[in-house]
Amino acid sequence: DGGITQSPKYLFRKEGQNVTLSCEQNLNHDAMYWYRQDPGQGLRLIYYSQIVNDFQKGDIAEGYSVSREKKESFPLTVTSAQKNPTAFYLCASSRGGFGANVLTFGAGSRLTVL
Amino acid sequence: AQSVAQPEDQVNVAEGNPLTVKCTYSVSGNPYLFWYVQYPNRGLQFLLKYITGDNLVKGSYGFEAEFNKSQTSFHLKKPSALVSDSALYFCAVRDGVASGYSTLTFGKGTMLLVSP
Repeated sequence: DGGITQSPKYLFRKEGQNVTLSCEQNLNHDAMYWYRQDPGQGLRLIYYSQIVNDFQKGDIAEGYSVSREKKESFPLTVTSAQKNPTAFYLCASSRGGFGANVLTFGAGSRLTVL
Repeated sequence: AQSVAQPEDQVNVAEGNPLTVKCTYSVSGNPYLFWYVQYPNRGLQFLLKYITGDNLVKGSYGFEAEFNKSQTSFHLKKPSALVSDSALYFCAVRDGVASGYSTLTFGKGTMLLVSP
């Protein structure tokens, strides 16, 4: 079945460490996104990519980095510069283009900073 | 920038009763509006969208939404609630118009609790 796979599901990090969250899709979608979810704040866009080797900052990109070397993969690195990284991270993809494309979401990764 | 607001943090309804989850929007140009649902510790699932045409949009699991341009609203509805409908519901609007890219901006979410 086609879908989006995020790993790991749960991740614990010590302060000062960088961590990378994996996101892989087999939907042949062009566009991929990373959102952060905090209780009572909804989803906030971190980064997005419309095509391979290109990505743009979203509303809360500070302290995060991404790469898009392959169409299927869009990993997110949470760096030590991110002041409050504990959150639920959601990866999504869509067919891309500038339309009313539906986003398909992965199951999420929960990051906890100890 | 485009935005949506969900004025209720939580909606409580008894099973079998109709339910409404409210959403208002602020956009420049024509709105593209969406509803998603999230079950605990899961990703979001698409329910329905409005692009143009009929103001009443039908979606998955018996849900529908009514687009009202004069009130800038896009409320989610269901004639008869089920306990299994209990979840977190998000309204969203297409954004990125100025940049030429298409992203979604989400509301803060409304928790729907359906009691037996």
